[in-house]
Amino acid sequence: DTAVSQTPKYLVTQMGNDKSIKCEQNLGHDTMYWYKQDSKKFLKIMFSYNNKELIINETVPNRFSPKSPDKAHLNLHINSLELGDSAVYFCASSPAGSGNTIYFGEGSWLTVV
Amino acid sequence: DAKTTQPPSMDCAEGRAANLPCNHSTISGNEYVYWYRQIHSQGPQYIIHGLKNNETNEMASLIITEDRKSSTLILPHATLRDTAVYYCIVRVDSGNQFYFGTGTSLTVIP
Repeated sequence: DTAVSQTPKYLVTQMGNDKSIKCEQNLGHDTMYWYKQDSKKFLKIMFSYNNKELIINETVPNRFSPKSPDKAHLNLHINSLELGDSAVYFCASSPAGSGNTIYFGEGSWLTVV
Repeated sequence: DAKTTQPPSMDCAEGRAANLPCNHSTISGNEYVYWYRQIHSQGPQYIIHGLKNNETNEMASLIITEDRKSSTLILPHATLRDTAVYYCIVRVDSGNQFYFGTGTSLTVIP
């Protein structure tokens, strides 16, 4: 079983559309994250949730809205997609507390045309 | 933001040890050093982490200097499958953040 799974793996959509990427972890972790990796391969944290509560909200346009229905799921909804949103989005999870490892999903490739 | 600096790229001959350096001169006393790698088109993969002592697992060894201002990841016998971008990360205390820098692109040469 995949520990951190994301769907869809690939998504091509037009500008202005609204789309969601889903993430689930079966590791029993308390904390989940969304990272964005752009064309320059820089991996940047977007959001962090701990037990369904938002902990980190980096400088991200408010078109991006994370939703955590329970601590095993953290979905990313993006409104009014723009060309610059094209990137690979990685979901991750970790147990709470320092010294704990973070586990990543395989990524969702979003292309906005 | 990332608190680490790494060389942008390195080469290593297959079968030799790959030594990847990382500077983290502003590290705090209770911050851990983590190493991850990202093979092309895959999610980042955990390798190893440590606080003060050197660490070893089935993948690699981590050597942390006594002042903790730098560390070295050692892949003892590099293979072609170790070609990847290697990230050294200092974990911030609060909020469980992992901030990635630009990493080192390691190429293992046959």
